[in-house]
Amino acid sequence: AQSVTQLGSHVSVSEGALVLLRCNYSSSVPPYLFWYVQYPNQGLQLLLKYTSAATLVKGINGFEAEFKKSETSFHLTKPSAHMSDAAEYFCAVSEGTYKYIFGTGTRLKVLA
Amino acid sequence: SQTIHQWPATLVQPVGSPLSLECTVEGTSNPNLYWYRQAAGRGLQLLFYSVGIGQISSEVPQNLSASRPQDRQFILSSKKLLLSDSGFYLCAWSPPGASNGAFFGQGTRLTVV
Repeated sequence: AQSVTQLGSHVSVSEGALVLLRCNYSSSVPPYLFWYVQYPNQGLQLLLKYTSAATLVKGINGFEAEFKKSETSFHLTKPSAHMSDAAEYFCAVSEGTYKYIFGTGTRLKVLA
Repeated sequence: SQTIHQWPATLVQPVGSPLSLECTVEGTSNPNLYWYRQAAGRGLQLLFYSVGIGQISSEVPQNLSASRPQDRQFILSSKKLLLSDSGFYLCAWSPPGASNGAFFGQGTRLTVV
C-alpha cells in the first residue's frame, strides 16, 4: 500500500522567510503526488500536483514542489512566507486508479 | 465548472441517534466519490469510495455505511452513533483516473454527545 510521511507536525517561520514542508513517499514506482492546503474548518484545496510531466511543479499562491526520485521526496516550498499562508498542509499520493492516501499534515505558523 | 456541496456544516447528535450526511457534485458525470474523516493529528482517513452508482468500497470497518443512489450523490450514514464517531467529515470527488487529485467539499463537523 502507498503511504506518505510528513516530517514535522508543526513548522514555524517568520514572515518573509523560506517555507519548507517535507513529504516522503513509499512507492518504488513514481506515483502521482499532491499537496493540499486546509484553512480552519474548511475543506482541502489542491495546491499542486506531480504527474511525471516535470519534476519541478508550480502551484497556486507562490508554492512549488520538486519531485526527487532518488530521495523519494516531494517537498513543498515557498520563497517568502506571508501571514495568509498559515494553515495546515497535506501531502497525498494516489494508490491505484481510485484512491488518494494522505499524510498526517503539517501545521504552518507564520510569525510576524 | 464543477462544484461539490456537502451539508450540514455542523451537527450535534446524541449517542445512539442515526446519521445522514449528504454530498452532491455538479458539472461532471461519473465522478469517483469519497468520504474521509479527519481527526486531529491523524490526517485524513479514507472511509469509503465509489466509482459508480451502487458501487461502494469500504476502507475501514466501523459503525458507518455509505450509499450512492445517484451518479453524483453520495451519502454517509449510521444507524446508531457512538462517541467515537465525532470528527470532521469530508466528501470529495475526482475525475476517473488518479492523476487529477481529489476535490473537497467544505466538511461537516460532527459532535456526538
